[in-house]
Amino acid sequence: ETGVTQTPRHLVMGMTNKKSLKCEQHLGHNAMYWYKQSAKKPLELMFVYSLEERVENNSVPSRFSPECPNSSHLFLHLHTLQPEDSALYLCASSEETSGNYNEQFFGPGTRLTVL
Amino acid sequence: GQNIDQPTEMTATEGAIVQINCTYQTSGFNGLFWYQQHAGEAPTFLSYNVLDGLEEKGRFSSFLSRSKGYSYLLLKELQMKDSASYLCAVTDSNYQLIWGAGTKLIIKP
Repeated sequence: ETGVTQTPRHLVMGMTNKKSLKCEQHLGHNAMYWYKQSAKKPLELMFVYSLEERVENNSVPSRFSPECPNSSHLFLHLHTLQPEDSALYLCASSEETSGNYNEQFFGPGTRLTVL
Repeated sequence: GQNIDQPTEMTATEGAIVQINCTYQTSGFNGLFWYQQHAGEAPTFLSYNVLDGLEEKGRFSSFLSRSKGYSYLLLKELQMKDSASYLCAVTDSNYQLIWGAGTKLIIKP
């Protein structure tokens, strides 16, 4: 495996379900990110981790709970979601979280539908 | 507030040239990125500008004017595979990436 991988690619869940999204990066990066992408809207940064420590939480509802057990893996735990949470969830990684040139490498995303 | 503006959608013809503009108002500036995103796929890096001027990379070029808060992505010799969304993003003074909503480019034969 190379780059950034995400599973599952598609997920349909009810509002009372609990599910988790998984991201893995094989690039040796120290920083990982969760983004929400909705149609015709800018990417919304949700969480940032640097060396397994959360450094950014952009006022995300508590029904989204991130976990970073090591610098290669990132999870997003979901519970009691709302239909408006339906979107593409993208994971990304970069060498660091600071610095001018901070190219982020993205996974293919999980298309989430909340019924 | 911080804001990135780019057109929602553009249409161009195969073999032609298209310019996608991006204007930004951010708290500080530490570089501008362009990403390409095909439908249902991951965004992929295209270019990075931190100094004024034109950066050329094959059929794609990116221009930056920091004084005007303006950039453009120029695509030459358009191919059908260039149909995608093009995302502009600026690194602000806190090294956070601020994203535009993306420009959907439709290429017609």
